[in-house]
Amino acid sequence: QKEVEQNSGPLSVPEGAIASLNCTYSDRGSQSFFWYRQYSGKSPELIMSIYSNGDKEDGRFTAQLNKASQYVSLLIRDSQPSDSATYLCAVFRGGSQGNLIFGKGTKLSVKP
Amino acid sequence: DAGITQSPRHKVTETGTPVTLRCHQTENHRYMYWYRQDPGHGLRLIHYSYGVKDTDKGEVSDGYSVSRSKTEDFLLTLESATSSQTSVYFCAINGREGNPYEQYFGPGTRLTVT
Repeated sequence: QKEVEQNSGPLSVPEGAIASLNCTYSDRGSQSFFWYRQYSGKSPELIMSIYSNGDKEDGRFTAQLNKASQYVSLLIRDSQPSDSATYLCAVFRGGSQGNLIFGKGTKLSVKP
Repeated sequence: DAGITQSPRHKVTETGTPVTLRCHQTENHRYMYWYRQDPGHGLRLIHYSYGVKDTDKGEVSDGYSVSRSKTEDFLLTLESATSSQTSVYFCAINGREGNPYEQYFGPGTRLTVT
């Protein structure tokens, strides 16, 4: 089982719709969870972090975490064509390294 | 902009030659990382540093070495470049006050080994 799994997509949604991106992780000791957005040819950009069960909202973005189910999601409300990008889920497992484990990303396409 | 620069941004080199990529940060962060990103594999950790002269291996460290002689600079060296090291290389930092586990990435270096 991969440590962090995401559906590779592409996920296509119409403009104005809600885009739902999902991620599962295998290590129950994982402590912190992040969503990055990566435009083609650019570097990953941190858009959300979540540390405890429940929802966290920031503008049009909502991150949801369910540690019991080992599941984290990102909702994008009122999707815009500018949201078209690859979204990477990342998990911090703890320990001294401090590095993140990344999923392979979900490609989102928002159609006008 | 997280105050991270990488150089060069693009490089083409021949198999067997040594290559050094530089990551420079202006924010005095303790932790620095080197990742590579390849289609089908996502981002994978090569090496990381937790202080000056303190480094350790990541998931895909074979064929790579690193050095950190100053807080602001983290160098990645491909000792003898191979075609399998053609990739996009990203440097990252973390340790911002209040959010120590968040990571911020540099612009990347696209390396082609012919």
